[in-house]
Amino acid sequence: QKEVEQDPGPLSVPEGAIVSLNCTYSNSAFQYFMWYRQYSRKGPELLMYTYSSGNKEDGRFTAQVDKSSKYISLFIRDSQPSDSATYLCATSHGSGNTGKLIFGQGTTLQVKP
Amino acid sequence: GAVVSQHPSWVICKSGTSVKIECRSLDFQATTMFWYRQFPKQSLMLMATSNEGSKATYEQGVEKDKFLINHASLTLSTLTVTSAHPEDSSFYICSARGLVRQGGGNTIYFGEGSWLTVV
Repeated sequence: QKEVEQDPGPLSVPEGAIVSLNCTYSNSAFQYFMWYRQYSRKGPELLMYTYSSGNKEDGRFTAQVDKSSKYISLFIRDSQPSDSATYLCATSHGSGNTGKLIFGQGTTLQVKP
Repeated sequence: GAVVSQHPSWVICKSGTSVKIECRSLDFQATTMFWYRQFPKQSLMLMATSNEGSKATYEQGVEKDKFLINHASLTLSTLTVTSAHPEDSSFYICSARGLVRQGGGNTIYFGEGSWLTVV
């Protein structure tokens, strides 16, 4: 079993839709969770960073962590064509933010105008 | 602007030769840098962790003699792919961990990646 599982998609939505991206993880010791956006042939860009359970909101983006079910989500409101990219969830190995990240496979999102 | 710079962005080399990729932290001192590898439509796989002034720690299955990592200063780490073969063709990405803004905590930033094609 992979430590972080993510549906690769692709996911296609119309402009303005609410997008829900999800990951599951296996190790209950993970506490730091991140969402990265990666455009084609580019390095990942940090979108959201959360510690432990709960929600975090930043503009159109909301990150949610449910440690009881080992489930992390990223919601994008009012999606735009510029949001078309691959979204990677990640967690930090061990109980602290060691910087050693374990990534999900990434979900490819396409927002159609 | 980008806080982690990678160079070159893309490189083509002949089989059997070596190629060096640089990773620089531009606005902060990176005590730790990480090197990842990503195949098309796959996730990033951690190759090694490099701390300034000490030997890199390689992940299981990564050949340390093939992928030489040097972290000579707090702003520069290099990855050298030695005796490259076509199967080494991949997207190599570095990340750096450090304090970018006072009070901001340690943050991890990624470079733009380097495409290596071995022919």
